[in-house]
Amino acid sequence: QITLKESGPMVVKPTQTLTLTCTFSGFSLFTDSVGVGWIRQPPGKALEWLALVYWTDDKRYSPSLKSRLTIATYRSRNQVVLTLADVDPADTGTYYCVHTMTSAAVFDYWGQGALVTVSS
Amino acid sequence: EVLLTQSPGTLSLSPGERATLSCRASQTITTKFLAWYQQKPGQAPRLLIYDVSSRASGIPDRFSGSGSGTDFTLTINRLEPEDFAVYYCQVYGSSPQAFGQGTKLEIK
Repeated sequence: QITLKESGPMVVKPTQTLTLTCTFSGFSLFTDSVGVGWIRQPPGKALEWLALVYWTDDKRYSPSLKSRLTIATYRSRNQVVLTLADVDPADTGTYYCVHTMTSAAVFDYWGQGALVTVSS
Repeated sequence: EVLLTQSPGTLSLSPGERATLSCRASQTITTKFLAWYQQKPGQAPRLLIYDVSSRASGIPDRFSGSGSGTDFTLTINRLEPEDFAVYYCQVYGSSPQAFGQGTKLEIK
């Protein structure tokens, strides 16, 4: 049974760095074609893909946020960490951790989401 | 970068009716990598359809996907009360990923 769970701060101040951790179970990031990614959703708005890391450690980022994003893996702990630098109130939203079993990256399992508010 | 436009923004139908949701891409999608997700209030999205027309595990056969090129459709036959939600299309297979802005399916 595949599960993913996001953890991190609920409130972050503008200009700070947001760090979110995805802890997963039921699969391994050493397995061929597996990837873990992040998607966010501002309140009442659409989904926005942020970043994705594959089993090969190949990393992909949203072009519009690439300069501020870092995705890292801690495979022995079954964790993937996303950092977003220099946050702004526009970064407020629910951040989802997602799993893919294909190199084409369709997201078949999602975490419950973590609501992050950027506010002073 | 591919942009996806979904229509209509809101669709009002009654249980038992058929829903037809549209997703139009800004450029031709030459692969089959188009997916649909369902999201209910307070929940994470759920994968319904991948590779244009393949149903994900556990998805009822009243959900179907079709299309090619720039025009794609999600059809839901015989709407059930639990089908009223927001639906997103997604293009994948190359960076960057892209989602449509969503279609809200509401009870009439």
